[in-house]
Amino acid sequence: GAVVSQHPSWVICKSGTSVKIECRSLDFQATTMFWYRQFPKQSLMLMATSNEGSKATYEQGVEKDKFLINHASLTLSTLTVTSAHPEDSSFYICGLRSGSKYEQYFGPGTRLTVT
Amino acid sequence: TQLLEQSPQFLSIQEGENLTVYCNSSSVFSSLQWYRQEPGEGPVLLVTVVTGGEVKKLKRLTFQFGDARKDSSLHITAAQPGDTGLYLCEYQQNRDDKIIFGKGTRLHILP
Repeated sequence: GAVVSQHPSWVICKSGTSVKIECRSLDFQATTMFWYRQFPKQSLMLMATSNEGSKATYEQGVEKDKFLINHASLTLSTLTVTSAHPEDSSFYICGLRSGSKYEQYFGPGTRLTVT
Repeated sequence: TQLLEQSPQFLSIQEGENLTVYCNSSSVFSSLQWYRQEPGEGPVLLVTVVTGGEVKKLKRLTFQFGDARKDSSLHITAAQPGDTGLYLCEYQQNRDDKIIFGKGTRLHILP
């Protein structure tokens, strides 16, 4: 199966600071990348979709100026949470897809805690 | 609004028992994915089903796609503690459509 890494695996930051999360595919080219957040005991909530070289498409209710997504290459996408607040504390997961397939391969997630 | 209904929401059974969880929608799926997620980790792809009536087996896991492609089931035989996790079904009708995840079935296997 495809290997996806996320960095960092967990991060604690102070309110008002920015945090960057990296998602990398290690053995395949990810033409589409998805960013999700997940609250305890809940399912995944899609935040945005990005295709390599294009601007991300954000889901309704997700602020594009707060959650900056850069799909820099076919192997790297970053999510930057700007001016983080305690309510941004969550588990953030990237999902990657290749070509015409519908299956997603997920990173191990990043636990963000904003104090 | 397209929805994926997963049932049951929670299931706790003894090791060695069999179980079935379901994923249903009013829409026709072009394909459907099943994932398992363990606490603190990302979901892991189990299977993709595409053809109506399709049955796929993955060791003790049997996945079935309904004939009308509106529902799917996952049957686990002789459940083991390692099967514990959140089971999610997901689909996207077409590339430009919204990705839909079910709310998941949280499975706990008691040793």
